[in-house]
Amino acid sequence: DSGVTQTPKHLITATGQRVTLRCSPRSGDLSVYWYQQSLDQGLQFLIQYYNGEERAKGNILERFSAQQFPDLHSELNLSSLELGDSALYFCASSPRLAGVLEQFFGPGTRLTVL
Amino acid sequence: QQPVQSPQAVILREGEDAVINCSSSKALYSVHWYRQKHGEAPVFLMILLKGGEQKGHDKISASFNEKKQQSSLYLTASQLSYSGTYFCGTERAFGNEKLTFGTGTRLTIIP
Repeated sequence: DSGVTQTPKHLITATGQRVTLRCSPRSGDLSVYWYQQSLDQGLQFLIQYYNGEERAKGNILERFSAQQFPDLHSELNLSSLELGDSALYFCASSPRLAGVLEQFFGPGTRLTVL
Repeated sequence: QQPVQSPQAVILREGEDAVINCSSSKALYSVHWYRQKHGEAPVFLMILLKGGEQKGHDKISASFNEKKQQSSLYLTASQLSYSGTYFCGTERAFGNEKLTFGTGTRLTIIP
């Protein structure tokens, strides 16, 4: 158990809908990262937050947005969902801002868009 | 740019050795290695900094060749528990604040 929690574990929804994925980092970790992992694909970095502020962006679609709240939990919002958005979404956290830090991954949220 | 991992997949018998490579076309500051078992989250193995430092973790070790921008992960006397997909993540500069992961190498250990 990495100490990072993600809810829900599974999510099944229809095209065009909007969902929110939630992540609670390890106690004391200020950085939160979101990744998307499609079937048999690698980990695609989406976005990073540090202490409530956006720090880095990857290949995140405009339909997706995220935020980190004062209690450091983070939410990833996915809207106008398409079939291709079906994937495993991981959240990871690390203690500090940057530089040679291991990331602790949560168990993931499996999103299925029908 | 996504680092390239090789091989894409490998099957070994218990006790055999394996080498997984991770190459980048860009200069790197660090390389991170993670292992992901099927249906689970990636788990951190080790970080290597530029300078060619080699690290070890039980019977798993890794090296980083700064000149070639290549890292290799060595698994010796493989155990069944080593099965999984191995990902390298590369960091372009200190403070770059994001890892770019390779497509992974699927390792299967059979008895």
